[in-house]
Amino acid sequence: DADVTQTPRNRITKTGKRIMLECSQTKGHDRMYWYRQDPGLGLRLIYYSFDVKDINKGEISDGYSVSRQAQAKFSLSLESAIPNQTALYFCATSEYPSGESYNEQFFGPGTRLTVL
Amino acid sequence: AQSVTQLDSHVSVSEGTPVLLRCNYSSSYSPSLFWYVQHPNKGLQLLLKYTSAATLVKGINGFEAEFKKSETSFHLTKPSAHMSDAAEYFCVVSATGNQFYFGTGTSLTVIP
Repeated sequence: DADVTQTPRNRITKTGKRIMLECSQTKGHDRMYWYRQDPGLGLRLIYYSFDVKDINKGEISDGYSVSRQAQAKFSLSLESAIPNQTALYFCATSEYPSGESYNEQFFGPGTRLTVL
Repeated sequence: AQSVTQLDSHVSVSEGTPVLLRCNYSSSYSPSLFWYVQHPNKGLQLLLKYTSAATLVKGINGFEAEFKKSETSFHLTKPSAHMSDAAEYFCVVSATGNQFYFGTGTSLTVIP
């Protein structure tokens, strides 16, 4: 089974609808992240969480909200979807940095969201 | 402030020839640097990472990268390209381990 899972994998919705993307992980990591990927722009950070009570805005948080329901679950919501939120969304996890080593991130398979 | 610049948005090589994907970084602190690969319709997979232990880092599938502090570079290389290397490659920097900053990606095409 995959360590980081995302549901749904594909979603088509209409402008103004509320939508939730879910991420679950079995890696036991405290840190979880949500990114969006747009062609030519790489991955941009939306929100990140270092534990259940710690939520932080990333580079492009406007129009999004998140919920950390448990150590293993981190959900991303679009309260009122708009077409320019059409993108590929990735969830990622990482361990707490140890010493001088900043541990790598582990990514889910992505959710392709289309807002019409 | 941290940032990554991937100098080529597209690279095309013939199968069996060397691969060079260029990455320059900016960081106020000694950074950790990563290269990830994304195959079509797939998630991101770690190729290799630099965490100050050794400047020449070897990764999976024959890839390696060299950290050059004086040039603020972390270029990815492979001696001989394979068709299966065709993918999108991302250079990533983290100076604190709290946030990770991605480059805009380099699309690698391998010509048979």
